[in-house]
Amino acid sequence: EPEVTQTPSHQVTQMGQEVILRCVPISNHLYFYWYRQILGQKVEFLVSFYNNEISEKSEIFDDQFSVERPDGSNFTLKIRSTKLEDSAMYFCASSEAPTPLHFGNGTRLTVT
Amino acid sequence: SQQGEEDPQALSIQEGENATMNCSYKTSINNLQWYRQNSGRGLVHLILIRSNEREKHSGRLRVTLDTSKKSSSLLITASRAADTASYFCATESTSGTYKYIFGTGTRLKVLA
Repeated sequence: EPEVTQTPSHQVTQMGQEVILRCVPISNHLYFYWYRQILGQKVEFLVSFYNNEISEKSEIFDDQFSVERPDGSNFTLKIRSTKLEDSAMYFCASSEAPTPLHFGNGTRLTVT
Repeated sequence: SQQGEEDPQALSIQEGENATMNCSYKTSINNLQWYRQNSGRGLVHLILIRSNEREKHSGRLRVTLDTSKKSSSLLITASRAADTASYFCATESTSGTYKYIFGTGTRLKVLA
């Protein structure tokens, strides 16, 4: 069964550094999402992406964050100048129709 | 905030018993979905119920939706140890575009 793939599984970075989290969505999917989850708690919406542009973004998704679909297969989340509070699990999801969402297994980001 | 709130936050039952989880939300919705998350993994879609539906079944899952009370329940019948996971509801606002807001989750533990 096709699945969403996220790399790396764990990323450690120093405060102030930039990180890029990578996702390969399911190939025929058109809608893409990023979520984050802090310490196994609530799952927070960051951004949705459709037709090569952002559809919705949350208050969390400020100028520090950006998304890109650099080619036909990858979907990336860039976090500039990371802060300690950015430490979380970041989940990518994709869908053929707007729903249901298919999630990857996440990237654990640790900012030290 | 549209965010759903599940209750209870944690639930521990014996194998074979039924597990009921509730979700409340705040805004008008197009649909409500339930997802499951095993520890350290991504979320997996379980079932979707539309705003004009009141009840839906899928295998051992039964979902109800009461739009007048802005609440939903997920019933897992004849629970198994493998059902141990966190369960989240997710809502799509009528005003949002491709924005699915997850609740705080219920951690279910099924004891063998």
